[in-house]
Amino acid sequence: GQQVMQIPQYQHVQEGEDFTTYCNSSTTLSNIQWYKQRPGGHPVFLIQLVKSGEVKKQKRLTFQFGEAKKNSSLHITATQTTDVGTYFCAARYSGGYQKVTFGTGTKLQVIP
Amino acid sequence: NAGVTQTPKFQVLKTGQSMTLQCAQDMNHEYMSWYRQDPGMGLRLIHYSVGAGITDQGEVPNGYNVSRSTTEDFPLRLLSAAPSQTSVYFCASRAPGQGYGYTFGSGTRLTVV
Repeated sequence: GQQVMQIPQYQHVQEGEDFTTYCNSSTTLSNIQWYKQRPGGHPVFLIQLVKSGEVKKQKRLTFQFGEAKKNSSLHITATQTTDVGTYFCAARYSGGYQKVTFGTGTKLQVIP
Repeated sequence: NAGVTQTPKFQVLKTGQSMTLQCAQDMNHEYMSWYRQDPGMGLRLIHYSVGAGITDQGEVPNGYNVSRSTTEDFPLRLLSAAPSQTSVYFCASRAPGQGYGYTFGSGTRLTVV
């Protein structure tokens, strides 16, 4: 089946450092979504990217969709302790109707 | 507006027992899905539905059944529980169309002994 690789699996950063997680697919995506899951919580929708090369920002978070629509990244500038959690990308493939494939997630720890 | 409500929050089953995980949403979302989350494996799709009366299999459907008799409810049935089904189960729903993400329930933590 279609797979979405997400790296790194874990990331520890000092508070104030930047953080990036990457999502890669071997096939072209229809769109990609990003979610955040706090420890012990449930995934919460952050954003969706649809267009080739699209860049969206939410405060300190920058989301990018690759030109070939096969990869995406989430970058957090100047991390804060409130950024702790696991970040998932979720890919939708053309013709995939409503099936969304989640990446394995990147667990972010922020050291104060 | 409660969003997506899952019950129970915790459950312990013995191998071979059956049970139903309940999921209800009050947002009139057409699309609903069940995921299981295991350490290091992200969220894997079990079953999904694009409307009342319509369901389909996801990546890991074996051992689970679903039905969608109403827009609001999407129960997940474990037919004969196995230790491999120990996991956290999330129900999610969303509105149709572009730009809408999934709203997740708070999850059911299931242990099969």
